[in-house]
Amino acid sequence: DIVMTQSPDSLAVSLGERATITCKSSQSVLYSSNNKNYLAWYQHKPGQPPKLLIYWASTRESGVPDRFSGSGSGTDFTLTISSLQAEDVAVYYCQQYYSTPFTFGPGTKVDIK
Amino acid sequence: QLQLQESGPGLVKPSETLSLTCTVSGGSISSSSHYWGWIRQPPGKGLEWIGNIFSSGSTYYVPSLKGRVTISVDTSKNQFSLNLSSVTAADTAMYYCARQLRGGGTYYYFDWWGQGTLVTVSS
Repeated sequence: DIVMTQSPDSLAVSLGERATITCKSSQSVLYSSNNKNYLAWYQHKPGQPPKLLIYWASTRESGVPDRFSGSGSGTDFTLTISSLQAEDVAVYYCQQYYSTPFTFGPGTKVDIK
Repeated sequence: QLQLQESGPGLVKPSETLSLTCTVSGGSISSSSHYWGWIRQPPGKGLEWIGNIFSSGSTYYVPSLKGRVTISVDTSKNQFSLNLSSVTAADTAMYYCARQLRGGGTYYYFDWWGQGTLVTVSS
């Protein structure tokens, strides 16, 4: 199984400041045949289902604000919120879809400082 | 707009079978571009993929639950279902159904989720 880790476990950022979350996979999720990283990011707010933010490691889902961006390749990835808004308070998960079983990171809780 | 809605008992006794159904509206479960999956989240813990199914009936399960889990599809009702047998307290969780994109014969990301349903295993 591919093990996903995230850091930090939680972070508090002032409104308008940058929040950065890292995600590492135990093996590469880069598919050489199409040069795509099989890595997604989800936002999970209490009482709501997880919401897809980013797929292919850096492609924003339709409707997701452009303050959210994803980067990285192979085994190391980053989700950045460039200017934190109050509505961004949530737990963020990375997930690999390179191989079954699909696995999620443990999550990073983002709060307002 | 696509909607996925989970339904089923919120309380299941230990050793019994947990049964949930996901009803898909606003889209066809027979789509060749999608798999349909179940994901759960125990209280205070992270997300765990349980398994998924294609409209043809082919299934994929997480190895840790193999032997206890069955996912089935009813294309006539636009529904798919989860059965998890011999449950214990460790199976207490929020259960989500979700749509997973399919491309090039392989799996992609989960792009649409149901609201989730809390299932508690307790006598």
